[in-house]
This record gives sequence, C-alpha cells and structure tokens, in this order.
Amino acid sequence: GQSLEQPSEVTAVEGAIVQINCTYQTSGFYGLSWYQQHDGGAPTFLSYNALDGLEETGRFSSFLSRSDSYGYLLLQELQMKDSASYFCAVREGGSYIPTFGRGTSLIVHP
Amino acid sequence: GAVVSQHPSRVICKSGTSVKIECRSLDFQATTMFWYRQFPKKSLMLMATSNEGSKATYEQGVEKDKFLINHASLTLSTLTVTSAHPEDSSFYICSAPPGSGSTDTQYFGPGTRLTVL
Repeated sequence: GQSLEQPSEVTAVEGAIVQINCTYQTSGFYGLSWYQQHDGGAPTFLSYNALDGLEETGRFSSFLSRSDSYGYLLLQELQMKDSASYFCAVREGGSYIPTFGRGTSLIVHP
Repeated sequence: GAVVSQHPSRVICKSGTSVKIECRSLDFQATTMFWYRQFPKKSLMLMATSNEGSKATYEQGVEKDKFLINHASLTLSTLTVTSAHPEDSSFYICSAPPGSGSTDTQYFGPGTRLTVL
C-alpha cells in the first residue's frame, strides 16, 4: 500500500511565497500530482511530476525528488483566491488508481 | 481542458429513499470513472472504479449493494445510493482520466451534496 503525509494547515499573507510539502511511501512509483479544491467545489488538477526537478506553471511550481520520496507545491505571489485545500496524489506502480493525501488547508491573510 | 459534469449538484431526500447521481464526460470518452466520497475538511475517499461495459470495482468496506454503479456508456456513469440513511449524507464526486488513459491527471465533476433527513 501507499501513504502520503502533508501538513494539515498552512497560513500566509497576500503576496508571500508558500511551500506545501508532501512525503510518500509507495511500493513502486509513477508520479506525484497536485490538486486544488475550494470549499464546496471539486478538485482541479494543478500539476504532475514524474521526473525529479521543478515544473513551473505560472505562479505555481511543483517539485519532485524521487530518491527522497518527497515533493512540494510552491505558490508565489499569493492571492486571497489561493485560499483552498491542496492535495497531493501518487500512483503506485502496477496500479492505475491514484491515492490522495489528506490535504493541506491554505489560508491566505490580507 | 476536459469537462466532467455531475447531476444533481444538491439533493435532499428522506431516509429510506434511493438517489441517483449522474456523472458525464462532456468532451471525451471515459472507459473508466472513479467515484469518491468526501467528508467536511477530509480527503477524498475512493469508493469504486466504474468500468464501461463491466462491473464496477469496489474498495474495501464499500457496500456494493448499497452503492450501485452503472457505467452505461463511454460518457456516463451513475451512482445510486439505495435506501439512504442520514449517515450517507456526504459530498460525492466523480472523476475521469482524459482519453489518453493516463490516470495521473484526473478531471473531477463539480460534486453532489447529498443530505439525507
């Protein structure tokens, strides 16, 4: 089986940079995905890393280190609308079903 | 990006009744769809994998006779909560991987808020 660990809550101020970490344990590994979910809404896909390194998409970047079983989501120039829950998800080798972490609630203050 | 719709968005029903939730992929074909349940401030709990043309695969602890899943076509999967009880009240979300088959990207429906009185 697999398990994922991410902080339950992170707070930051508008305009700041915040990093949400995710560590995982899997037997076999395909890649790490990140999703954003606003209250009352459905998750939306943000990024996917299969290889080590940093992937940048606008204000959001995602990093993966396969040797450390670790990744993070980096949000820059925080805006109030970034307040949401962020989930990391991994797909274990041999399975086509991703497993989601418990989610990190990001609270952005003015 | 790909669009997944869900209907209804909200439903309130009496205990003992059955409720059907539809999940549609609007601009792509989905041979596989996933059904999740989410409690407030909690993560997504996978209930079952819906497979077009074959039986759904249920996760451990999920009653297949209570949560009936039918994948009638390449664009439609339905979840029926039978004989609903208040403890079934939850946020139900479906998702589908894009047509390429990779499940590392999931497109989620907007969810259905079920309240059982």
